Amino acid sequence: QVQLQESGPGLVKPSETLSLTCKVSGGSISRGAYYWSWIRQHPGRGLEWLGYIYYSGSTYYNPSLKSRVIISIDTAENQFSLTLNSVTVADTAVYYCARTPGHLNYFDPWGRGTLVTVSS
Amino acid sequence: DIVMTQSPLSLPVTPGEPASISCRSSQSLLHNNGYNYLDWYLQRPGQSPQLLIHLGSNRASGVPDRFSGSGSGTDFTLKISRVEAEDVGVYYCMQALQSPTFGPGTKVDFK
Repeated sequence: QVQLQESGPGLVKPSETLSLTCKVSGGSISRGAYYWSWIRQHPGRGLEWLGYIYYSGSTYYNPSLKSRVIISIDTAENQFSLTLNSVTVADTAVYYCARTPGHLNYFDPWGRGTLVTVSS
Repeated sequence: DIVMTQSPLSLPVTPGEPASISCRSSQSLLHNNGYNYLDWYLQRPGQSPQLLIHLGSNRASGVPDRFSGSGSGTDFTLKISRVEAEDVGVYYCMQALQSPTFGPGTKVDFK
């Protein structure tokens, strides 16, 4: 059973860079059938897809965040990462990683999520 | 962006009774392959979302058969035949035809 676990700093200062990692266990991230996604949830609000990456390194980003988001993959460590540049308080959210069985498809399973607060 | 709306936003339910949630998209989610790219998720209190239904009507592995999804084009419905205690939470619809977008969520709890 594939499991995903997010990790990274819980507090980031405005204008700085948010960096998170998602460790995948129970299956290889290099298996060609899947894309690996980042999704966030602002406090008390809905869900926003940020982007995903294929094991080859191909990426697809939410157009509204594309200029600030980078998703990378480390097949040797079986993990993938999120970088979000120039953060503001509006980027405070719970960040989830998830698996996607192909381009433009559902998210399953999800990690437990990690809260990132942007504050000085 | 495809905009997703849901109704109602809050749904008080009675255990053992049926429940229904509506989801509407600003554009048709019917792909030319015949599938509707509409998924349903449940986020239980304190948990991450979990997949219930994909491609409009296909139950995910392990999802009880009291959950069913229907609809096509721009109008979709999630039905619970008999609500149980573990069904409490926020239900989201999501379109996957283009860059994925989610509905605002419907909070289901007991009366």
